[in-house]
Amino acid sequence: NAGVTQTPKFQVLKTGQSMTLQCAQDMNHEYMSWYRQDPGMGLRLIHYSVGAGITDQGEVPNGYNVSRSTTEDFPLRLLSAAPSQTSVYFCASNYRTSGGYYNEQFFGPGTRLTVL
Amino acid sequence: AQSVTQLDSHVSVSEGTPVLLRCNYSSSYSPSLFWYVQHPNKGLQLLLKYTSAATLVKGINGFEAEFKKSETSFHLTKPSAHMSDAAEYFCVVSLSRGGATNKLIFGTGTLLAVQP
Repeated sequence: NAGVTQTPKFQVLKTGQSMTLQCAQDMNHEYMSWYRQDPGMGLRLIHYSVGAGITDQGEVPNGYNVSRSTTEDFPLRLLSAAPSQTSVYFCASNYRTSGGYYNEQFFGPGTRLTVL
Repeated sequence: AQSVTQLDSHVSVSEGTPVLLRCNYSSSYSPSLFWYVQHPNKGLQLLLKYTSAATLVKGINGFEAEFKKSETSFHLTKPSAHMSDAAEYFCVVSLSRGGATNKLIFGTGTLLAVQP
């Protein structure tokens, strides 16, 4: 298994540009999440999905869109990039056990985004 | 409301000496707790997790953590530091009893330096 993969690894945008960060997992996990990591702030949840066709907002959703058309893929779209979106973005996936609780989240390697 | 506090932003130890990374949580009930490690320019890797079974949890690479409900703590320890342990460590708490929801709260991280 490749686990959770993210592309690109690095990206530089100009203010106002749009782009899509790709995330894919090959573990057949129902749940996928996007986080951003900023210095001194840990990780904060942007959006998450509990299955294909179902998404919801996290703690910091403004300026980002997501969709989940397949179990494997969960892209994150920046519609009009702003310098405040300069960050490292992590995608994660996990599943719910037969006992009803969520196992640990598996993280991708991250995308470093700079918005000028 | 649930929260997690990592008491030290930076910890420096000498190779071969013990490691202690401190984490306190606030929760209305016994949560699920995790420690993740992030090496430079890498994604997050699970070190260990507590999900209401044994209070002393053993993880990978010789790390362990003890859940102490009376002290609301989940400190990470290792008897002897290795140069390869130099990384950032995150204490993470789930938002519900026993991981019944998939939402996590991340601490702000502790950067561990290991001196030769």
